[in-house]
Amino acid sequence: QSVLTQPPSASGTPGQRVTISCSGSSSNIGSYAVNWYQHLPGTAPKLLIDGQNQRPSGVPDRFSASKSGTSASLAISGLQSEDEADYYCATWDDNLSGWVFGGGTKLTVL
Amino acid sequence: EVQLVESGGGLVQPGGSLRLSCAASGFSFSSYWMSWVRQAPGKGLEWVANIKQDGSEKNYVDSVKGRFTISRDDAKNSVYLQMNSLRVEDTAVYYCGASMDVWGQGTTVTVSS
Repeated sequence: QSVLTQPPSASGTPGQRVTISCSGSSSNIGSYAVNWYQHLPGTAPKLLIDGQNQRPSGVPDRFSASKSGTSASLAISGLQSEDEADYYCATWDDNLSGWVFGGGTKLTVL
Repeated sequence: EVQLVESGGGLVQPGGSLRLSCAASGFSFSSYWMSWVRQAPGKGLEWVANIKQDGSEKNYVDSVKGRFTISRDDAKNSVYLQMNSLRVEDTAVYYCGASMDVWGQGTTVTVSS
């Protein structure tokens, strides 16, 4: 059971906009910024958006993030087949004195 | 180009030990917190440990406290994870990261008899 809750799956057709939610509590998302990662198992996780809501060089602006209270979300617009991957939210947790990840959301491009 | 290369993974019996290494290049290593995360087969990403720039602060996930030790050698631009008393549930791909921003390709640890 992950400290941060994400839907296990999401899907969309090419060109659509999809959002992935991440729910936490006052000890994590409520107090700290959230990172979002894209991951294909067996490869290096890729930072999509950092805690300052910045996209590293090379990440298209189709990816955006927001946060409100103890929840955060990642939005992907203009969905492309190459976006099919696992997506994770992560942040620091005061109660655990460590980083916590969401359980991950598997995005399928139909 | 920022690069992180993990090594040291392998097959080990329950109760055994392994030392993972991560060689960094392309950035000012001594200026960054360094972390290890892992992914068990069929599971999601799990943060394991991190270490502050000067090594004065180290944090661990509860499941590895007392068994794993993170360390760094700024002269060698390297971070390490000493894993003792390994359990079957430690089987995973282990990734090294700089400031939770950039990650290596991972090294596989299999704990099995």
